[in-house]
Amino acid sequence: KAGVTQTPRYLIKTRGQQVTLSCSPISGHRSVSWYQQTPGQGLQFLFEYFSETQRNKGNFPGRFSGRQFSNSRSEMNVSTLELGDSALYLCASSLGAGNNEQFFGPGTRLTVL
Amino acid sequence: AQSVTQLGSHVSVSEGALVLLRCNYSSSVPPYLFWYVQYPNQGLQLLLKYTTGATLVKGINGFEAEFKKSETSFHLTKPSAHMSDAAEYFCAVSDTLSSGSARQLTFGSGTQLTVLP
Repeated sequence: KAGVTQTPRYLIKTRGQQVTLSCSPISGHRSVSWYQQTPGQGLQFLFEYFSETQRNKGNFPGRFSGRQFSNSRSEMNVSTLELGDSALYLCASSLGAGNNEQFFGPGTRLTVL
Repeated sequence: AQSVTQLGSHVSVSEGALVLLRCNYSSSVPPYLFWYVQYPNQGLQLLLKYTTGATLVKGINGFEAEFKKSETSFHLTKPSAHMSDAAEYFCAVSDTLSSGSARQLTFGSGTQLTVLP
């Protein structure tokens, strides 16, 4: 069974631009969560989607948004990029129904110049 | 609110020595606890998890952890370190299941394990 895939793996943007990251969960998984990892703040929860609905959201500004499609694939969008948005963005999938085990993708490394 | 504290941001051990990575948690409800490992430029890989039942949990690659409710701890151990164990390790806590609720992981700040030859 294929693991969680994230595209692109690396991305360079400039301040003020917007970016869209993609995540394909493990087949059969309906929950997708996003996390931001930075050296200063560590791993922080962004949001979780289940059956195309956002079920939970972390403490991030509205510039960070996401969505989930009917095939459970998910995208996250960051608008008006700031230097501080440079991070590794990790996607994790799980069955989402009574199962807390999350499987992580390799991440997308975003650099904002 | 939940929180996780990992004591020691860097731990060095000799190859063949005992590995002990410390994790203490705070949770208002019975927690689910996890240890993940991250190799450079990779995502997180689950080593082991505690949900309910046996408090000594065995994971992959010879790692194990013991849930001690009285000490609110979930320390990770491995009897004999291998060079390939060098990586960053994260302890995480999650809410107990409740109907319809989303689950998020709250991570500790991580411990970088170095294995010396």
